[in-house]
Amino acid sequence: DGGITQSPKYLFRKEGQNVTLSCEQNLNHDAMYWYRQDPGQGLRLIYYSQIVNDFQKGDIAEGYSVSREKKESFPLTVTSAQKNPTAFYLCASSPPAGGSDEQYFGPGTRLTVT
Amino acid sequence: GQNIDQPTEMTATEGAIVQINCTYQTSGFNGLFWYQQHAGEAPTFLSYNVLDGLEEKGRFSSFLSRSKGYSYLLLKELQMKDSASYLCAAMDSNYQLIWGAGTKLIIKP
Repeated sequence: DGGITQSPKYLFRKEGQNVTLSCEQNLNHDAMYWYRQDPGQGLRLIYYSQIVNDFQKGDIAEGYSVSREKKESFPLTVTSAQKNPTAFYLCASSPPAGGSDEQYFGPGTRLTVT
Repeated sequence: GQNIDQPTEMTATEGAIVQINCTYQTSGFNGLFWYQQHAGEAPTFLSYNVLDGLEEKGRFSSFLSRSKGYSYLLLKELQMKDSASYLCAAMDSNYQLIWGAGTKLIIKP
């Protein structure tokens, strides 16, 4: 079955700790994205990557970091510098970035930092 | 700036028809997407419009007017499982999606 997996579904961390959210896809898609979703707001783009070993900042990249060492994987690290890390994080992928191809989303990770 | 507007919440009756509107302002335009998102789950793709007009796909249809910066999603023969949030997203000149906050649709029996 082709798709995108994110794990874990729920994640709890103490303030001041870095945490890494995983995202894996077996759709052979070139582009991958990380979004953050907060209640009452639209999806906000954190980082995106169009090819391996390359990625760009989205609208709210501060306090986050990513890597794209393999086509299938695009992990997101939420650092202690992120002021409000509690949110629902969604990973997505698509064929080459742009165009009419829709983005496919993983099931999301709900991160709670206390 | 870039902006997407859609109503926060709508209520409709099972079996009826509902229209969810979306207006957009983007730097350039490369199409408009509609996604469905059930609570706590991932968004799933419903439709894509880039040319003016109506695209029909089963019980769901989507309309676009580029000159007016306006789209709507039409849901017919509503079922309880259609209770969800509906997200409108416009693709700008850099092929980035600009997302609306979503419209929560409540279906009553």
